Amino acid sequence: AIQMTQSPSSLSASVGDRVTMTCRASQGIGKDLGWYQQKPGKAPKLLIYGASRLQSGVPSRFSGSGSGTDFTLTISSLQPEDFATYYCLQDYSYPLTFGEGTRVEIK
Amino acid sequence: QVQLQESGPGLVKPSETLSLTCTVSSGSITSYYWSWVRQPPGKGLEWIGSIYHSGSTNYNPSLKSRVTMSVDMSKNQFSLRLSSVTAADTAVYYCARRVATSPMYCFDYWGQGSLVTVSS
Repeated sequence: AIQMTQSPSSLSASVGDRVTMTCRASQGIGKDLGWYQQKPGKAPKLLIYGASRLQSGVPSRFSGSGSGTDFTLTISSLQPEDFATYYCLQDYSYPLTFGEGTRVEIK
Repeated sequence: QVQLQESGPGLVKPSETLSLTCTVSSGSITSYYWSWVRQPPGKGLEWIGSIYHSGSTNYNPSLKSRVTMSVDMSKNQFSLRLSSVTAADTAVYYCARRVATSPMYCFDYWGQGSLVTVSS
């Protein structure tokens, strides 16, 4: 199985900050990577698919990049509603695997 | 707007079988992979498996021996059965729609989640 490693596991940031988190795959997955946002008690929400394609309705402050084994999710200007946990998911091969998550907390 | 809703018992005894159903509203069950993802309390997400509308399945090897998924196109529903459950299977179980049409590979719609507790 492909292992997905996210870093950092948590970060503290202020509203308006630029925030970056990474996801590394244990082997190449092309661009078959998605990013999901999850708030407490809620289902995950798709933000990015295909490593860099913004899901319809998702604010443009979210962006994704990368290919192969290294991927990045960037929030250009953190908003109060962005405090959540973010997961990457490789959809390249079975079994599909999630990263362990990056929790974004208020500084 | 596609909507997914999980239903099933919230409490299952150890060694018994967990059964959940996901009802899909405002959308066809054809041409997608219908999936289950779970999340133990305070932990991360784990893909359980996916089923295509044709009935073709893919399961997580870590659960494969205990998982069965099925789809009922007449009811726009798909189901999960997980046998021989233990406390480690206590989790919120999400159903989700998986798109697998290049370049879009992702889970784009999710149910609200159903907490299943395994306890005697």
